[in-house]
Amino acid sequence: QVQLVESGGGVVQPGRSLRLSCAASGFTFSNSAMHWVRQAPGKGLEWVSVISYDGSNTYYADSVKGRFTISRDNSKNMLHLQMNSLRAEDTAVYYCAKGYGGGYRGPFDHWGQGTLVTVSS
Amino acid sequence: EIVLTQSPGTLSLSPGERATLSCRASQSLSSTYLAWYQQKPGQAPRLLIYGASTRATGIPDRFSGSGSGTDFTLTISRLEPEDFAVYYCQQYGSAYTFGQGTKLEIK
Repeated sequence: QVQLVESGGGVVQPGRSLRLSCAASGFTFSNSAMHWVRQAPGKGLEWVSVISYDGSNTYYADSVKGRFTISRDNSKNMLHLQMNSLRAEDTAVYYCAKGYGGGYRGPFDHWGQGTLVTVSS
Repeated sequence: EIVLTQSPGTLSLSPGERATLSCRASQSLSSTYLAWYQQKPGQAPRLLIYGASTRATGIPDRFSGSGSGTDFTLTISRLEPEDFAVYYCQQYGSAYTFGQGTKLEIK
């Protein structure tokens, strides 16, 4: 069965960096676009970033553009999110999610359990 | 950016009743690119419906989706105790945006 397991969350000071990871199993990782979605405490869902199946294309929400970088290692079935210049408003649970089908235009058919990032001094 | 507005914000119903949740888009959207998710407290979202009306794998047939253009609906025909949760619509045709959610609570 599909499994997505995030790691790397924690408490970090404003302006610092953090790297999230997502370990994927149970499907052909190299065939799927992958996403990061976040949810601030008590709030709704916000899409953060997507990476194509082969890593050649990436897109970001305006709120994180220029600060976050998504990447993947298909040899290790791993997805990453490098988060720099963190702000208090980046505090959220970060989910990795698998895109349905091979391209970008699909719903998110499997989600990890999430990892909490808290940006606070 | 396509903005999705869900209504009502909170819906109070009893088990066995019918639930109707609405999602309105700020501009016309192909029904191909509209999904619904269910999220329970402390859990990740779960895909229920995609393409506006196609149930995801393992989703009971009491869940159905409909709509086109700017107006979409999620219907739960007979509420089970496990259906009380927060529901989000999402569009994935022009970048990705979610509605703000509808909380379905037990009356």
